[in-house]
Amino acid sequence: GAVVSQHPSWVICKSGTSVKIECRSLDFQATTMFWYRQFPKQSLMLMATSNEGSKATYEQGVEKDKFLINHASLTLSTLTVTSAHPEDSSFYICSARELGGADYGYTFGSGTRLTVV
Amino acid sequence: RKEVEQDPGPFNVPEGATVAFNCTYSNSASQSFFWYRQDCRKEPKLLMSVYSSGNEDGRFTAQLNRASQYISLLIRDSKLSDSATYLCVVILPGGSYIPTFGRGTSLIVHP
Repeated sequence: GAVVSQHPSWVICKSGTSVKIECRSLDFQATTMFWYRQFPKQSLMLMATSNEGSKATYEQGVEKDKFLINHASLTLSTLTVTSAHPEDSSFYICSARELGGADYGYTFGSGTRLTVV
Repeated sequence: RKEVEQDPGPFNVPEGATVAFNCTYSNSASQSFFWYRQDCRKEPKLLMSVYSSGNEDGRFTAQLNRASQYISLLIRDSKLSDSATYLCVVILPGGSYIPTFGRGTSLIVHP
């Protein structure tokens, strides 16, 4: 089945530094990648939708200058958390759907647990 | 009103029990529906799609009620390994087919 590889799985960084998270679709082309954030005991909250070759669409309340998304190819999307602060500590996860598909499951990366100290 | 609502639980049931979860959605134009399972500190994994006619996969049965705008998941003969959080996912109308998640319902199956 479809696989999305996400890394790193976890990262601890100092406040003020930037962290890049990568998601790669391994056996399919992902025209659209969704980026979510999940705080403990909360649901996955959509942060942004990225489409290959175009600017990402950010959800209300998500700072586009802080969470930089790049979807340069059909198999790679990256999320960079710039100038991270402790309140950015969360579980970040990407999800993709295969080209041409809609009515079947979305494939998730394994998630990145970010801790900012 | 949230777009997708679930009772967070937890549902605490003994092995062998039958348990049912409901999920309501607010947008009547929603197109597709899924149940995902998420284990602690892991990514969500697709459990099953939900079709208008209802569908069954082993011990799991999913149903959709468009008139009342809810979907359900029934688990029969619960196993210890069924303990997890079950997420309701609704695909909203629009070109990007954005999946919207419910908060999840926690299930604990005990011996």
